[in-house]
Amino acid sequence: GEEVAQTPKHLVRGEGQKAKLYCAPIKGHSYVFWYQQVLKNEFKFLISFQNENVFDETGMPKERFSAKCLPNSPCSLEIQATKLEDSAVYFCASSQGAGAYGYTFGSGTRLTVV
Amino acid sequence: DQQVKQNSPSLSVQEGRISILNCDYTNSMFDYFLWYKKYPAEGPTFLISISSIKDKNEDGRFTVFLNKSAKHLSLHIVPSQPGDSAVYFCAASANGGATNKLIFGTGTLLAVQP
Repeated sequence: GEEVAQTPKHLVRGEGQKAKLYCAPIKGHSYVFWYQQVLKNEFKFLISFQNENVFDETGMPKERFSAKCLPNSPCSLEIQATKLEDSAVYFCASSQGAGAYGYTFGSGTRLTVV
Repeated sequence: DQQVKQNSPSLSVQEGRISILNCDYTNSMFDYFLWYKKYPAEGPTFLISISSIKDKNEDGRFTVFLNKSAKHLSLHIVPSQPGDSAVYFCAASANGGATNKLIFGTGTLLAVQP
């Protein structure tokens, strides 16, 4: 499809529970990015993939966060043992790669940890 | 350390007039700059970009100006329309804007009054 599809739109987890978010990039896009928007207007880069390979993981917290992009499956971002501070909107984006102008974002998953 | 700064949290403009949104950056390694527009409950939408080898890029009503010596860029929207009301994010990247992570500013809320 021509949009980045993120599911679910909303996710509520109790502290300590696991959260798993999904992202289907645009077909033909080889790069996938995850961003976290904690405060209303502050985006933090988490991780990017080139196909199924990690491209840049400099923003990923060392503990509790993991991500995958496997062939023929949506990409996923998993948070083990969620904390209140993980409450945020998580955006996925995809790109064709070099030569493209910017990338296309999904509409986000709002994670609320209670 | 905020590498990309948007010092005006909000801007109000009359319909038909020019909107000027400003952005400053500190990292001289940035070579690609983008503007994204965001409506509530949606992901950011790519608007316009500029490479560091240029000082101006125009697309319809939108023009981005880059002043490398001042590490400053601006987005001009003319004429402004009520549908332009949204949060505008400036973003920067090193080594291109479609494969590498973007560093975002904190956004400027533009309100275009009819």
